[in-house]
Amino acid sequence: DAKTTQPTSMDCAEGRAANLPCNHSTISGNEYVYWYRQIHSQGPQYIIHGLKNNETNEMASLIITEDRKSSTLILPHATLRDTAVYYCIVRVSTSYDKVIFGPGTSLSVIP
Amino acid sequence: NAGVMQNPRHLVRRRGQEARLRCSPMKGHSHVYWYRQLPEEGLKFMVYLQKENIIDESGMPKERFSAEFPKEGPSILRIQQVVRGDSAAYFCASSPSTGGDQPQHFGDGTRLSIL
Repeated sequence: DAKTTQPTSMDCAEGRAANLPCNHSTISGNEYVYWYRQIHSQGPQYIIHGLKNNETNEMASLIITEDRKSSTLILPHATLRDTAVYYCIVRVSTSYDKVIFGPGTSLSVIP
Repeated sequence: NAGVMQNPRHLVRRRGQEARLRCSPMKGHSHVYWYRQLPEEGLKFMVYLQKENIIDESGMPKERFSAEFPKEGPSILRIQQVVRGDSAAYFCASSPSTGGDQPQHFGDGTRLSIL
């Protein structure tokens, strides 16, 4: 079973920031938080990951709470092409750990 | 910088035939993972391979399915005597090493349709 909980769906207005929440209340100290997205009929696309600190790259920002029990993926200026299913995943850092995908959040960016 | 390459993109087979799906990992990646996505469902892990070794096949059906990642060439997922229920999208991912701090990068999948 997935170790994360996400809302089933969300809407976001084009040009606005999309904030996608994820709960991982049972996360261990050696588990990373990962975000992927899957645009219809394509393979999952890696977005970002982090352990404790907030992270930012050209695609998004990842905000992890101090207790690490939840996180938020931020797409700063959502476009129609960001419409996709977004998956939040936790993975052990120190050894092999298969990736378990939950149902994710279906984000619809509205014109 | 080529990504994970999968072929064919679409494959049609009749019941009872064999399906062979290929995956070439990203350059420098020696770890390959196969996932299956049934229609309207999420991605499910099938198998994890390193060069010439199967590390974890806990998600792969015991019958009719096999996977390999030879020393030379792509990783192959083979499905023998296909049935209607095998219709799905099969995705391959690769990473440079194991461990949770290494992202897996995915290909665009092979969509298998069984007539």
